Amino acid sequence: GDSVTQMEGPVTLSEEAFLTINCTYTATGYPSLFWYVQYPGEGLQLLLKATKADDKGSNKGFEATYRKETTSFHLEKGSVQVSDSAVYFCALENYGQNFVFGPGTRLSVLP
Amino acid sequence: EPEVTQTPSHQVTQMGQEVILRCVPISNHLYFYWYRQILGQKVEFLVSFYNNEISEKSEIFDDQFSVERPDGSNFTLKIRSTKLEDSAMYFCASQTEAANEKLFFGSGTQLSVL
Repeated sequence: GDSVTQMEGPVTLSEEAFLTINCTYTATGYPSLFWYVQYPGEGLQLLLKATKADDKGSNKGFEATYRKETTSFHLEKGSVQVSDSAVYFCALENYGQNFVFGPGTRLSVLP
Repeated sequence: EPEVTQTPSHQVTQMGQEVILRCVPISNHLYFYWYRQILGQKVEFLVSFYNNEISEKSEIFDDQFSVERPDGSNFTLKIRSTKLEDSAMYFCASQTEAANEKLFFGSGTQLSVL
């Protein structure tokens, strides 16, 4: 079945550092890809998405590009802030099927 | 932005007791889901619901689990006889359409089974 793999955390960075969280997937067909974020004590919120190959999703300074050739959707941000501390989930949805989430990567940003 | 609302935020129960977790999805959404997240583990799909019936369920969703949409507003998850391993954060989600659209998640109910 479909699956999502993420780099293991926790990831600890200093403020203004560059962030990359790797995500790769296994799926048949052409899934849509998502990044969700979970702030402490809250539910999952959509951060960004891409629905086809070479699409770039972006939001709040975060970006991810749908790379079908490498089956990847890595999350990047040029300069992280303390308020970005959260758990980040990569996910996919194959048409008509349910979301499949990765295990999550915890990010801690230190001032 | 519209929200999915879940109640209670925390539920503590004794093993073997029944619990009902409640959710109010976004009003014009058509697809409803329950997911759970055991502490430190990944978010796992439990069940999807459309047109007043279950459309898909995972192997986790055994006979102890049931879902209902009793009044066109609420969407509930019932666990008939809770087990210790049911302790988790349970998330409700809703969606306008089934394909390529984002899920709107509630803030979750933390269930602790003692």
